[in-house]
Amino acid sequence: QQPVQSPQAVILREGEDAVINCSSSKALYSVHWYRQKHGEAPVFLMILLKGGEQKGHEKISASFNEKKQQSSLYLTASQLSYSGTYFCGTEASNTGKLIFGQGTTLQVKP
Amino acid sequence: NAGVMQNPRHLVRRRGQEARLRCSPMKGHSHVYWYRQLPEEGLKFMVYLQKENIIDESGMPKERFSAEFPKEGPSILRIQQVVRGDSAAYFCASSPASLGAGDRNQPQHFGDGTRLSIL
Repeated sequence: QQPVQSPQAVILREGEDAVINCSSSKALYSVHWYRQKHGEAPVFLMILLKGGEQKGHEKISASFNEKKQQSSLYLTASQLSYSGTYFCGTEASNTGKLIFGQGTTLQVKP
Repeated sequence: NAGVMQNPRHLVRRRGQEARLRCSPMKGHSHVYWYRQLPEEGLKFMVYLQKENIIDESGMPKERFSAEFPKEGPSILRIQQVVRGDSAAYFCASSPASLGAGDRNQPQHFGDGTRLSIL
């Protein structure tokens, strides 16, 4: 089952914060977050493993709520370079197979 | 460039022809994954391969599509008798081999993709 991302799209001004959620109906082993700019390859941001870990990457962090089977990506003090489409990829067990959500498009304006 | 290399970047085929997409994983990576992406949509898992083995092909269409990752050379995604609906971006990703019990998951690194257009 494909995870569900929300919201579908976000428009921000530089310096504003955003949260992107990724929910699954299945028990998850891990959640992977990627950012993709138009016409380019998805770029790896971080992995969240079951256990409720919270990780950070510059001003981007994420959490994984095992009980809710939900991961959230937090973007603080957004920069123009944060614009793109964010995908979560979920893994039900340690198989390497990722099922991606439909994506959340983030646009940061000056 | 030590990244995942895909070629060609763009491929145009007429209906009924064959398309071959190539992927060389990052140095030291022995796991390869293929994904398909339609415009404005997410990445759809197709197949997961290790050297000379198909691990999971649950996302591959039953007909016309095949994938291999030989002992030597790149991974190949082959589409026979292409149809208009095969038009998409095809991405390859690679990850290192599992290191054993202490290894808790490895990220997949993506190539720039092959844009396949069917006339």
